[in-house]
Order: sequence, then C-alpha cells, then structure tokens
Amino acid sequence: KNEVEQSPQNLTAQEGEFITINCSYSVGISALHWLQQHPGGGIVSLFMLSSGKKKHGRLIATINIQEKHSSLHITASHPRDSAVYICAVKRGYGGSQGNLIFGKGTKLSVKP
Amino acid sequence: GAVVSQHPSRVICKSGTSVKIECRSLDFQATTMFWYRQFPKQSLMLMATSNEGSKATYEQGVEKDKFLINHASLTLSTLTVTSAHPEDSSFYICSARVQGSINEQFFGPGTRLTVL
Repeated sequence: KNEVEQSPQNLTAQEGEFITINCSYSVGISALHWLQQHPGGGIVSLFMLSSGKKKHGRLIATINIQEKHSSLHITASHPRDSAVYICAVKRGYGGSQGNLIFGKGTKLSVKP
Repeated sequence: GAVVSQHPSRVICKSGTSVKIECRSLDFQATTMFWYRQFPKQSLMLMATSNEGSKATYEQGVEKDKFLINHASLTLSTLTVTSAHPEDSSFYICSARVQGSINEQFFGPGTRLTVL
C-alpha cells in the first residue's frame, strides 16, 4: 500500500461543478502540499498545509491531521482547471532532507 | 507563492552530449534544492538533494557521476546530465526550500529532456 493515496485517479466534470479530490496518508507528516501539473508538464504549487484550511480564489484545501486526510476542493470548475492534481506529504519533523512522498495524482478533466 | 524558475524548459540533444539545467529561486533564498525526475504517467521521484556550498546527496540508484549537481549560491542549483542517452529522456523538476523553513518548498516548472 502506498504511503500517500489519492482518489479518484481520474475525474471528469462539467463546467461549473464543485470538485473534491482526496488524499490520505499513512505516515506522520509536518506538511502537506497540493500541486497542479498541466498537460505540458509544468508544476504549480497550490497550497502548503500543516493544519486547518486554506483558500485561494476558487480553490480550498483542508487537512485533518488526526484522520491523516486532506481534500482539495474546486468551486465553479472551469475547463482551464483541467490538470493533474498531486498531493505530496513531508515526512516527520526535524531537519530531514527532501522526504516529500508523492501521490500518483488525480487527473481532472472539466468539460465545457 | 514564491517563484522558482528552470531553464531551459525543453531541450533536445544527441546521445552522448551533456545537458545543463538551471534552477533558480527568484524571490527567496534556498539553502536546499531538490531535483526530481518524472517518467510518463508516473509520480515524481527524488533524484538528489542539493545543499548550498556542499556536495549533493543522491538517492539510491541515481548515479552521481552521471547527474552532476552544483549548488553554488543561495538562488541557483544546476543539474548536468552527462553523456546523455535516450533512457535519460524524462521530465526533470527542481524544487527549492525557503531558507530557514523546514516545510516551505516551491516547485519549478520543469525541463523536458529528449535525447535522440
């Protein structure tokens, strides 16, 4: 079993729909990242969370440390939101190097 | 969020040549930068961790003599793929950790390397 699991793997939505992507992890973490990767490959850092909730425009990210679970929500989805969304967790605390564990990504396709 | 740039964004080279990829943190200082590789339809895989002023730490299975990393300043790390072969064709992504932070880490847009 992977240490970081995302669901669903693929998601197709109609423009305007509310979208939720889930991320569950099995290790102790100090932070969780949500990344967006467009078809050309470029990666954009969306959020870094260690607790609670963050909002940026139409994107909302939440994390429940006790349940080891995070969700990424997109409100009023748009075709330009079509991308692969990746959850990555930073293992543990302290000065450990790197140690980002990546989920396999959720491929989102928003149809007009 | 903070900005990390990579150059070039795309490179095509002949087998046997060397290719240098630059990673820059544009508006913050980064004592630590990370180099990842991503093959099609797969997750990012950490190749090495680069610390300013010291030798890089390579992950198991990554040849340090093939993938040369130099982190000469707090805003620049370079990855040189030496004697590139077609199997080195991949998407290379860098990430930079904000100096003084253990969690704040921002990703570059990636470099697509194609070796003919």
